Amino acid sequence: DAKTTQPTSMDCAEGRAANLPCNHSTISGNEYVYWYRQIHSQGPQYIIHGLKNNETNEMASLIITEDRKSSTLILPHATLRDTAVYYCIVRIFSLTSGTYKYIFGTGTRLKVLA
Amino acid sequence: DTAVSQTPKYLVTQMGNDKSIKCEQNLGHDTMYWYKQDSKKFLKIMFSYNNKELIINETVPNRFSPKSPDKAHLNLHINSLELGDSAVYFCASRPGGASGANVLTFGAGSRLTVL
Repeated sequence: DAKTTQPTSMDCAEGRAANLPCNHSTISGNEYVYWYRQIHSQGPQYIIHGLKNNETNEMASLIITEDRKSSTLILPHATLRDTAVYYCIVRIFSLTSGTYKYIFGTGTRLKVLA
Repeated sequence: DTAVSQTPKYLVTQMGNDKSIKCEQNLGHDTMYWYKQDSKKFLKIMFSYNNKELIINETVPNRFSPKSPDKAHLNLHINSLELGDSAVYFCASRPGGASGANVLTFGAGSRLTVL
């Protein structure tokens, strides 16, 4: 029951901005969008999250469309160490369990090229 | 170090055996999760506990039995292991409450191989 769709893979030149899109067209008004990345088979690492407004932190920027149906993660100056699988996640509230579920998409494999 | 730690990191076993994976977090979080990542890298939620109470069970076979002795620990016991159980199992935790800033923190994973 994935809530997000992402391209399977992308390439980006080192030093350039990497723009990773995510479609979450069925998102509800109070559901957050999170981005995580996974390098090799390490544990997923938190990058950024947002609800309605665009967000920026030391790792990345998150641009959310006004209708909230899609978002883009921006790595402003990609390095070789940014090569990873990037997951777009929607946090949903489960009425049956009374708690939050973090539903992962299939992820985008980003390869940063030297 | 503050973290979510899992043991063992690697586990190789025969079909039919019973095995356990342990998870501990020292972040003071209230809620813990088990996720399974298959060979296609898809991360699927299995269970969640909040303060030792099971709150999510995603129709996982009852050969899988999570146990939470206290809110800092969440273990996963698997009976009668099958080939299809081979995967990487990730433990995660987060603070309680509704704030969007309550992000998941993941462990490094436990790779289970069933022969």
